[in-house]
Amino acid sequence: SAVISQKPSRDICQRGTSLTIQCQVDSQVTMMFWYRQQPGQSLTLIATANQGSEATYESGFVIDKFPISRPNLTFSTLTVSNMSPEDSSIYLCSVDTGQGTDTQYFGPGTRLTVL
Amino acid sequence: SQQGEEDPQALSIQEGENATMNCSYKTSINNLQWYRQNSGRGLVHLILIRSNEREKHSGRLRVTLDTSKKSSSLLITASRAADTASYFCAPLRASNYKLTFGKGTLLTVNP
Repeated sequence: SAVISQKPSRDICQRGTSLTIQCQVDSQVTMMFWYRQQPGQSLTLIATANQGSEATYESGFVIDKFPISRPNLTFSTLTVSNMSPEDSSIYLCSVDTGQGTDTQYFGPGTRLTVL
Repeated sequence: SQQGEEDPQALSIQEGENATMNCSYKTSINNLQWYRQNSGRGLVHLILIRSNEREKHSGRLRVTLDTSKKSSSLLITASRAADTASYFCAPLRASNYKLTFGKGTLLTVNP
């Protein structure tokens, strides 16, 4: 298994500002992912964070809005840029401890409210 | 849509009863994972069943998988109030190894 922490756990931000969310894993993992869960909705994959290279974004998500860093095998950040109230969501990171076909563990999430 | 879709959307039972949730999906999968989410918090991994498995148990949980019908079920036996949560199935697509989520089943266990 993997123990994942996220910072901050929650935040309230003003529109037009940016927030960086950190994800830390207690062991080295190959694959890290970022998801968004809008109020009352399911989880949507934003991107796969690749160590040492640019993240791979899903349709509808772009690097300018959600820049991602992955400097090593235990840490990643997601920035939500130029925020609007529509960005109010829970943002979750997850990791796959294997090679993409194993259990995916999720962090506790960051609850973001944009005013 | 490629996502797993849970049924029912909401389920309310009494403590001690069994709860069954179903999941359907549309594409070939490598595995299917079930998660629990308490009140908008992080997802807790419950169980993973691979495409070549038909049934798996973990404590009070029993998961079945029927790849011919592209469906799975999660059975929670002897439910407790602490089982109150949203439950999600997440098929892992064989084509791109990505999890997809439905809207979940909201289970309420009344004491």
